[in-house]
Amino acid sequence: GQQLNQSPQSMFIQEGEDVSMNCTSSSIFNTWLWYKQDPGEGPVLLIALYKAGELTSNGRLTAQFGITRKDSFLNISASIPSDVGIYFCAGQPNLNTGTASKLTFGTGTRLQVTL
Amino acid sequence: KAGVTQTPRYLIKTRGQQVTLSCSPISGHRSVSWYQQTPGQGLQFLFEYFSETQRNKGNFPGRFSGRQFSNSRSEMNVSTLELGDSALYLCASSWAPATSGSSDTQYFGPGTRLTVL
Repeated sequence: GQQLNQSPQSMFIQEGEDVSMNCTSSSIFNTWLWYKQDPGEGPVLLIALYKAGELTSNGRLTAQFGITRKDSFLNISASIPSDVGIYFCAGQPNLNTGTASKLTFGTGTRLQVTL
Repeated sequence: KAGVTQTPRYLIKTRGQQVTLSCSPISGHRSVSWYQQTPGQGLQFLFEYFSETQRNKGNFPGRFSGRQFSNSRSEMNVSTLELGDSALYLCASSWAPATSGSSDTQYFGPGTRLTVL
């Protein structure tokens, strides 16, 4: 099945450092979502982006919807140990086509934070 | 508000058997989507149910089926299990008015870990 290209695949960073990850697609999406998944749990929504060029923050997290609608970026500032986990981007098609439920997920970025 | 709940959390089956997984959406949510997560293929969309009807379908064989009840609860069934069906099966719910923006955001349950021996 289709997966979006997400990079980096994994990151080892020190506590306090900033983190950046991105997601690219060959298709246009109308909504970009960023999720975090802890071991043994389902993905938890972090940020949702609905408009090309939109920049949205949620605490130390900031995400941007690429102007081409084919990419998105997530930044985490001043990382802390509880940021450890796998981060997924997801693209959502046009809500008016009736296929809005068919999220296409990225390959994931595994983040590990050392003290 | 309670989140999405899935039962059971863990399941072990043998090849050839069938399995039924259950999902209770967030109260008021009318759409339930199912996803399969494996290390090799990542998160893949299985199907979506809305108002007791399958509205969207991914690229999975007919052994994978589902249904939705009038209270929006959903079940997923996999028949004739294969080793490759071992995965984390995730259910997500949304309000799904089909034309709105933020209200269609999907919220995931903890998943059911299925192991096929």
